[in-house]
Amino acid sequence: SAVISQKPSRDICQRGTSLTIQCQVDSQVTMMFWYRQQPGQSLTLIATANQGSEATYESGFVIDKFPISRPNLTFSTLTVSNMSPEDSSIYLCSVPGRLLTDTQYFGPGTRLTVL
Amino acid sequence: AQSVTQPDIHITVSEGASLELRCNYSYGATPYLFWYVQSPGQGLQLLLKYFSGDTLVQGIKGFEAEFKRSQSSFNLRKPSVHWSDAAEYFCAVGGNEKLTFGTGTRLTIIP
Repeated sequence: SAVISQKPSRDICQRGTSLTIQCQVDSQVTMMFWYRQQPGQSLTLIATANQGSEATYESGFVIDKFPISRPNLTFSTLTVSNMSPEDSSIYLCSVPGRLLTDTQYFGPGTRLTVL
Repeated sequence: AQSVTQPDIHITVSEGASLELRCNYSYGATPYLFWYVQSPGQGLQLLLKYFSGDTLVQGIKGFEAEFKRSQSSFNLRKPSVHWSDAAEYFCAVGGNEKLTFGTGTRLTIIP
């Protein structure tokens, strides 16, 4: 399984500002995923980030609000733009296992609180 | 479309008692099924997975799950829970490129 780290682990931000979350993997992967976990809720996929192409966003998520970068095969960033209290969530990145029958492996998450 | 239902939002059990967490899925083909645990302030840890073969799968930390195709279920069990098992448990269906999660079951352990 991959080892995944995220920065920052938590942050408290003011309304209207933006925060960039970093995700680093210890091996090269083609795909990386970004999830949001709102308080008391399950995980919802925001987007899939492929190296060398634009991210693919799920319904309800747009690039202007959640721009994603994928500069190489071990790194990605997710920016939460123009934040509001509704953006307070845990944001997690994940990478797929090597086999189709495998699962995804998750980073520790970034806990974001917007005041 | 694939989906997962975890009907129990919150379960409380006594330490040492047995545990069963329910999971029902909807999937068009043979499902790949997973259970994850999320401890307070921690990321998601994979407990076990099923993709074929023996319908009773063993996982880490003494957990097991049984796949029942006729009931579209993949319930998680543990014979004797420990205080450290208190956490949020998520069932998921899919594979390495698309996972759909249930809403989770919060497990509380009482002495």
